[in-house]
Amino acid sequence: DTGVSQDPRHKITKRGQNVTFRCDPISEHNRLYWYRQTLGQGPEFLTYFQNEAQLEKSRLLSDRFSAERPKGSFSTLEIQRTEQGDSAMYLCASSPRTSGRAGETQYFGPGTRLLVL
Amino acid sequence: DQQVKQNSPSLSVQEGRISILNCDYTNSMFDYFLWYKKYPAEGPTFLISISSIKDKNEDGRFTVFLNKSAKHLSLHIVPSQPGDSAVYFCAAIGTGGFKTIFGAGTRLFVKA
Repeated sequence: DTGVSQDPRHKITKRGQNVTFRCDPISEHNRLYWYRQTLGQGPEFLTYFQNEAQLEKSRLLSDRFSAERPKGSFSTLEIQRTEQGDSAMYLCASSPRTSGRAGETQYFGPGTRLLVL
Repeated sequence: DQQVKQNSPSLSVQEGRISILNCDYTNSMFDYFLWYKKYPAEGPTFLISISSIKDKNEDGRFTVFLNKSAKHLSLHIVPSQPGDSAVYFCAAIGTGGFKTIFGAGTRLFVKA
């Protein structure tokens, strides 16, 4: 399977703990995105990488959230001091380099479902 | 504020008939629109897209129509099949940006 993979698929943690999620994009894709999805809503943009550079961050990404893509391949999303409101599905997506337009045809992973108790 | 709105949370259609999913947007600076389909326990899958300079794009059974004056787009599925039962997300990208804004989704049920 050469699609986008995410690990873990499920995470249960206690409030105040730190969690880290990993995303492995499709190998030739240089663009990587993180989204958060809560029940009954569509994915909400969190942040975007082009290669290893983090080019855009949403206001949703508070200082408790940090994302990295150190070698321009896999990415991690860390949430520090988790809160119950952080419970959601965290989706990663990647896309290939396009002629100039960004964001089209993003390929999504299956997501990591986080539950904060 | 919701820049992309899907006002119908669900839609039920008989197999073989047309499914029409609607989406409204408020930001006239969006220049690309997309539809994604999502099955349970999977991430969204790209379905079809349309540039703001066009009013129609067709791919097999799927056609997307864009009405810029009304800030409205729709996805037509003809004929609908039971395998089309999924959640459909409308999404938009702004000019020069990378951020994709998604609607809340419409759950489509296609009855055999």
